[in-house]
Amino acid sequence: DAGVTQSPTHLIKTRGQQVTLRCSPKSGHDTVSWYQQALGQGPQFIFQYYEEEERQRGNFPDRFSGHQFPNYSSELNVNALLLGDSALYLCASSLYVGDRNYGYTFGSGTRLTVV
Amino acid sequence: RKEVEQDPGPFNVPEGATVAFNCTYSNSASQSFFWYRQDCRKEPKLLMSVYSSGNEDGRFTAQLNRASQYISLLIRDSKLSDSATYLCVVQSGGSYIPTFGRGTSLIVHP
Repeated sequence: DAGVTQSPTHLIKTRGQQVTLRCSPKSGHDTVSWYQQALGQGPQFIFQYYEEEERQRGNFPDRFSGHQFPNYSSELNVNALLLGDSALYLCASSLYVGDRNYGYTFGSGTRLTVV
Repeated sequence: RKEVEQDPGPFNVPEGATVAFNCTYSNSASQSFFWYRQDCRKEPKLLMSVYSSGNEDGRFTAQLNRASQYISLLIRDSKLSDSATYLCVVQSGGSYIPTFGRGTSLIVHP
């Protein structure tokens, strides 16, 4: 039973560039959430996708966008990269019953460095 | 006030010790509570859900105090392998999004 897979694992980009991160959820999960985790901080919620729509969004600028595909996989796009975007980007999949989830399964993350 | 607050630590304890972490939350409508464990430079992993009646899993015990709006995690007989960051997670009713605390660092030494 494959868990959550993310690619790439590491990435170095230059300020102003654009980046796309990818995530395949755990089998049986239909909801994908993206988080940004800076060093020494807890994960910060970016957005969540369900049924190919952005269901909820955190306090991140429009430079952060995403997509969910019919097979539930998801992409996170960040435009006009800033140095402050350097972080670990985590994808989490889950299954909801109503508005309650029973725990996230996280991928191992993509470590993005902006130089 | 932050939605979920944790003492970042580190808590430095010897093997075999009992250690407890608390986490406070601000939204009284919160309905789901979890503890996650995160090893250095790894992803968070679900340790346990926290139920109203409290729950235990081996050496780990989680408690919820709704009146005072906090959850706790107790680790008995600490092992070196328990060294990690423990993240408190709270989800409010009507929101699909769990909120993570910044984590509490635990270091268990020989």
